[in-house]
Amino acid sequence: DTGVSQDPRHKITKRGQNVTFRCDPISEHNRLYWYRQTLGQGPEFLTYFQNEAQLEKSRLLSDRFSAERPKGSFSTLEIQRTEQGDSAMYLCASSLDGQLSIPYNEQFFGPGTRLTVL
Amino acid sequence: AQSVTQLGSHVSVSEGALVLLRCNYSSSVPPYLFWYVQYPNQGLQLLLKYTSAATLVKGINGFEAEFKKSETSFHLTKPSAHMSDAAEYFCAVSGSGGYQKVTFGTGTKLQVIP
Repeated sequence: DTGVSQDPRHKITKRGQNVTFRCDPISEHNRLYWYRQTLGQGPEFLTYFQNEAQLEKSRLLSDRFSAERPKGSFSTLEIQRTEQGDSAMYLCASSLDGQLSIPYNEQFFGPGTRLTVL
Repeated sequence: AQSVTQLGSHVSVSEGALVLLRCNYSSSVPPYLFWYVQYPNQGLQLLLKYTSAATLVKGINGFEAEFKKSETSFHLTKPSAHMSDAAEYFCAVSGSGGYQKVTFGTGTKLQVIP
């Protein structure tokens, strides 16, 4: 078990460019989450997947943002036409669902991708 | 809807002193409550969680928290601070049962003074 990994760890881009981030969850985990964390704030929920289905999206996820999890394993988060306000840390987390004996399925976080939009 | 309020964005303690990080929650349903720790340039790590069992919850690294429904609080404590405890700590809440979105507080940065 190598934990949740994210790539790249840092991304610097110019305003108006598109960027794509990747998240590889813990291999047996069927739930995957994306969060955004800005300086001085806690993580804010963006979206979550159960297997390949995107089940919830936050109002924070504007139409410039799209997330996919095509085979129910890794996920990508794309931001089109980046704006300076998109500068943040983008965190991915995964958890295992389906075990009724566990009241809460812990979310395991990756190290994040720090995006800087110039 | 659930929310948490963390009192104090920065807390400084001397090494060996008591650590107390405050968190108050608001929830329309029985909550699950969590404390996470984040070291610089790293993701979040779960310290401990309350899921309606014992009200005093023990976590990793000597931390514990007590769920007090009457005070809507879930403060994090550690009897003796260590230099390695310097980090940012986040309180979080979700509803209980099935999938529930986790809502984080704004964080408290803990400084440990030698």
